[in-house]
Amino acid sequence: EAQVTQNPRYLITVTGKKLTVTCSQNMNHEYMSWYRQDPGLGLRQIYYSMNVEVTDKGDVPEGYKVSRKEKRNFPLILESPSPNQTSLYFCASSLFGQKDNLPLHFGNGTRLTVT
Amino acid sequence: AQSVAQPEDQVNVAEGNPLTVKCTYSVSGNPYLFWYVQYPNRGLQFLLKYITGDNLVKGSYGFEAEFNKSQTSFHLKKPSALVSDSALYFCAVRLLSGGYNKLIFGAGTRLAVHP
Repeated sequence: EAQVTQNPRYLITVTGKKLTVTCSQNMNHEYMSWYRQDPGLGLRQIYYSMNVEVTDKGDVPEGYKVSRKEKRNFPLILESPSPNQTSLYFCASSLFGQKDNLPLHFGNGTRLTVT
Repeated sequence: AQSVAQPEDQVNVAEGNPLTVKCTYSVSGNPYLFWYVQYPNRGLQFLLKYITGDNLVKGSYGFEAEFNKSQTSFHLKKPSALVSDSALYFCAVRLLSGGYNKLIFGAGTRLAVHP
């Protein structure tokens, strides 16, 4: 089944403890992206990747890192989480970076709480 | 600034009645518009898109959307609502940024369909 898989689904951590949220897609998509969803703000893009070893900042990149060493994986790293990073996170992918207006495929989300 | 707005936080509809979820946009050039739906504990799913052509676009699950250039709107509609349509709906507009296309999402509208 074609899908975007995120892990974990739920994560509770403390301020300053490094964490990684994994994202993997099995559709051979070139483009991958991370979003955070907050009430009243919709989805805001954190980072995106056009292909392997090509990443760039989205609208809210502060406090986050990403890597794209393989086409299928795009982990989101929080080196020193803070409470304002408590949010619902989504990974998404599409075939060609949306230039062909192909829709994004989303994972089921990771709910992160930082205390 | 280029943006997309969903003026209603929540829309309540009785089952069997028609529903409308509103979306307005502000972009330069021709808009490429999308609707996504988010069911509880799931990622966003693509519903439909407008790129060009017929102003009435048909999508998944019986939904359709009407593009109105003069009113800069792209409202989502369904002739007869189902309880299972209850979900969070996001309108999005494609922007050309840094040589690639990115999606800007509205804040979302929660649709509640009552039996």
